[in-house]
Amino acid sequence: NAGVTQTPKFQVLKTGQSMTLQCAQDMNHNSMYWYRQDPGMGLRLIYYSASEGTTDKGEVPNGYNVSRLNKREFSLRLESAAPSQTSVYFCASSVAGSGNNYGYTFGSGTRLTVV
Amino acid sequence: GESVGLHLPTLSVQEGDNSIINCAYSNSASDYFIWYKQESGKGPQFIIDIRSNMDKRQGQRVTVLLNKTVKHLSLQIAATQPGDSAVYFCAENTRNYGGSQGNLIFGKGTKLSVKP
Repeated sequence: NAGVTQTPKFQVLKTGQSMTLQCAQDMNHNSMYWYRQDPGMGLRLIYYSASEGTTDKGEVPNGYNVSRLNKREFSLRLESAAPSQTSVYFCASSVAGSGNNYGYTFGSGTRLTVV
Repeated sequence: GESVGLHLPTLSVQEGDNSIINCAYSNSASDYFIWYKQESGKGPQFIIDIRSNMDKRQGQRVTVLLNKTVKHLSLQIAATQPGDSAVYFCAENTRNYGGSQGNLIFGKGTKLSVKP
């Protein structure tokens, strides 16, 4: 099993460009998440999808949109990239359900630089 | 030690010694806690978890202690090895952002450096 797969691994964008970060999991997990990681800031939740067909905002959703395409895939879109969005982005999934949360499985990350 | 909201601290230990990494979590209603290990250039990796109805849980070479009275979590690593060098994050499950199961909020991490 591949677990959580993110593409691309690296990306450089110019300010104002758009792009979509892809994430897929093969563990039949219900919930999926997008985090960004900045030096000294830890991991901050951008958006999450508790189950297929639902998405909700996290701590830092501004400038992003998401799509839960199906149970396996959860994409993150930057419509107009800004230098402040330079970060490492992590997708994660969890088997969470029935009011309980369980450990997340993370992808290997996408390192995004906006110039 | 580490606290949600502080800058990344560093812990340096000698190979073979025990390591203790601390975390002060923020939400007294949090009911689930996890420790993650992140090596350079990789995603966080699950180490051990604990639910709020427990105060101690042991894994292979690792122990997590939970003190709900003072909202404190610690990770103990026995016989620390060079391969344990990484950034360690605690995470608490909170329902701040809705959802029946809540979401994980991460601390900023502690960097563990193991000297051979």
